[in-house]
Amino acid sequence: QQPVQSPQAVILREGEDAVINCSSSKALYSVHWYRQKHGEAPVFLMILLKGGEQKGHEKISASFNEKKQQSSLYLTASQLSYSGTYFCGTEASRGSTLGRLYFGRGTQLTVWP
Amino acid sequence: NAGVTQTPKFRILKIGQSMTLQCTQDMNHNYMYWYRQDPGMGLKLIYYSVGAGITDKGEVPNGYNVSRSTTEDFPLRLELAAPSQTSVYFCASSYSQGRGDEQYFGPGTRLTVT
Repeated sequence: QQPVQSPQAVILREGEDAVINCSSSKALYSVHWYRQKHGEAPVFLMILLKGGEQKGHEKISASFNEKKQQSSLYLTASQLSYSGTYFCGTEASRGSTLGRLYFGRGTQLTVWP
Repeated sequence: NAGVTQTPKFRILKIGQSMTLQCTQDMNHNYMYWYRQDPGMGLKLIYYSVGAGITDKGEVPNGYNVSRSTTEDFPLRLELAAPSQTSVYFCASSYSQGRGDEQYFGPGTRLTVT
């Protein structure tokens, strides 16, 4: 049930844009996005819910394609502080795993000055 | 609010030893979780709890035990430590079980079993 993230790694210059994708084989209720800096705990960025509701930071944008069970995180005009590993966590719509999150392996983003 | 706190931050165990990882949250969250994070593998759910007295297994529960006697505390017990349990352990909490609510993570415990 682990979602698949792509790409595995991204290297950017400050000001450039990036897209991180998350794909699941299961019907999803929600997709969560977290960022983790080296040696630190994951920090919440955004939740996208089935039906279109979103919760999260205003400067972060993301999309959720319910038909394809895919989500994308858009990082625009990247800053040095955006560096870290980005994880998506998916919550299934139905079944015994209802409500639990399965996390992808992460996308490592490096922003250079 | 301190949020989610974990102790210890680092620990080295010998094979066969036991230990308890402590987790406390002061946000009055009902749901609490234990994850382990291995390099390049993301977060794997070990156990979770939907409230005091109620716990359930996650993806990788073997070799671990939990209890939840209070809303605030959710300790993780390792019995007979094995090298495969070398990992970083994160405790998290949320108001509800993932449904539209973010999970708040503790700072983690880095465990090495040799």
